Amino acid sequence: SQQGEEDPQALSIQEGENATMNCSYKTSINNLQWYRQNSGRGLVHLILIRSNEREKHSGRLRVTLDTSKKSSSLLITASRAADTASYFCATAYNDYKLSFGAGTTVTVRA
Amino acid sequence: DTAVSQTPKYLVTQMGNDKSIKCEQNLGHDTMYWYKQDSKKFLKIMFSYNNKELIINETVPNRFSPKSPDKAHLNLHINSLELGDSAVYFCASSRQSLAVPYEQYFGPGTRLTVT
Repeated sequence: SQQGEEDPQALSIQEGENATMNCSYKTSINNLQWYRQNSGRGLVHLILIRSNEREKHSGRLRVTLDTSKKSSSLLITASRAADTASYFCATAYNDYKLSFGAGTTVTVRA
Repeated sequence: DTAVSQTPKYLVTQMGNDKSIKCEQNLGHDTMYWYKQDSKKFLKIMFSYNNKELIINETVPNRFSPKSPDKAHLNLHINSLELGDSAVYFCASSRQSLAVPYEQYFGPGTRLTVT
């Protein structure tokens, strides 16, 4: 299977804390993407990181990619209640497809 | 303006019926997708069209048939619905560079319940 695997499956944090989730994959990728899904909604693209990039930032989001370890991490800083959602990594190869992992469910407590 | 829209949002039907889900995107993208998300939130690619040409056809029962009348529309027709077809179906679109997928834009989903 080419899909990424997220870790942990679920995460509960206090508002204001940072949240970190990881994604591991098995074969060399072209790019890796992170998506957010709020309950009952479609997925929203957050960040795309190419295989030759090591880190990207977008607002309170920071994504790292370690191709030697075949892993990526998503850090959400200063979390807010609105960050409560499921977060998915998706790996892209040269086969037209994105392969999604099972996601990390993040709950931010007020 | 809605970028990727799907209709209907909810679909409740009985086993054996035939139903269709419609998807439209106004982003000017060349590539559209259908995904199935099960109760454990696992998202599985079903089909993809690039400029009206089928480029991904995963192992899906042939009761499922996609149709792309033009590059802004991708519909999904399901024949002889079964209980196991109950899921949320998402349409998505993206630009494509050769065979590499870039960021995808998802519709709001269609929750299909088969009774």
